Amino acid sequence: AQTVTQSQPEMSVQEAETVTLSCTYDTSESDYYLFWYKQPPSRQMILVIRQEAYKQQNATENRFSVNFQKAAKSFSLKISDSQLGDAAMYFCAYKEGNTPLVFGKGTRLSVIA
Amino acid sequence: GAGVSQTPSNKVTEKGKYVELRCDPISGHTALYWYRQSLGQGPEFLIYFQGTGAADDSGLPNDRFFAVRPEGSVSTLKIQRTERGDSAVYLCASSGGRSGGSSDTQYFGPGTRLTVL
Repeated sequence: AQTVTQSQPEMSVQEAETVTLSCTYDTSESDYYLFWYKQPPSRQMILVIRQEAYKQQNATENRFSVNFQKAAKSFSLKISDSQLGDAAMYFCAYKEGNTPLVFGKGTRLSVIA
Repeated sequence: GAGVSQTPSNKVTEKGKYVELRCDPISGHTALYWYRQSLGQGPEFLIYFQGTGAADDSGLPNDRFFAVRPEGSVSTLKIQRTERGDSAVYLCASSGGRSGGSSDTQYFGPGTRLTVL
């Protein structure tokens, strides 16, 4: 079964600085999708960014970008110019075909003013 | 509506009671997923619908859990004889349902927090 590992239970970053959240996964498939979701205290899971495994180019969404290393099965999230509103739980997730998402245990990000 | 909605937002019940949790997906989305999130954990898959049928129910923990989606839109998760261990946030997500492209992205509702006393 596919597994997703987030090795950092908690991270903190100074406002306006850059932080990187780590994620590794295990799969024998070559075609799949990877996601980062943000979950603030409101519980709503909000999609931050997605990456198709067949694309070599790293996905970018404004201040959010990923470093996708397919051979290493690594998918880290970089948040630039961190803002107070970025404070939340961040979940890395894996999906292939019509299967459900497999989530990591999450990283709690604190932003220090 | 514009997003996935779930009702109720919070549900408190007593051990042994029956509960129903409702999910209203994004209009036009054919796939609907239920997940359960325990405190301090990532969401765990329960059941997946493609249209009206349950395409995969392998995540349901036991036969006290059941879900339906009779018209291919709204879904109801039903829990019989609730136990304290069922306390969690129950999340619903929907997607376009076709493999490939942005339709693979799941959009989540705000969840229902279930507390079993």
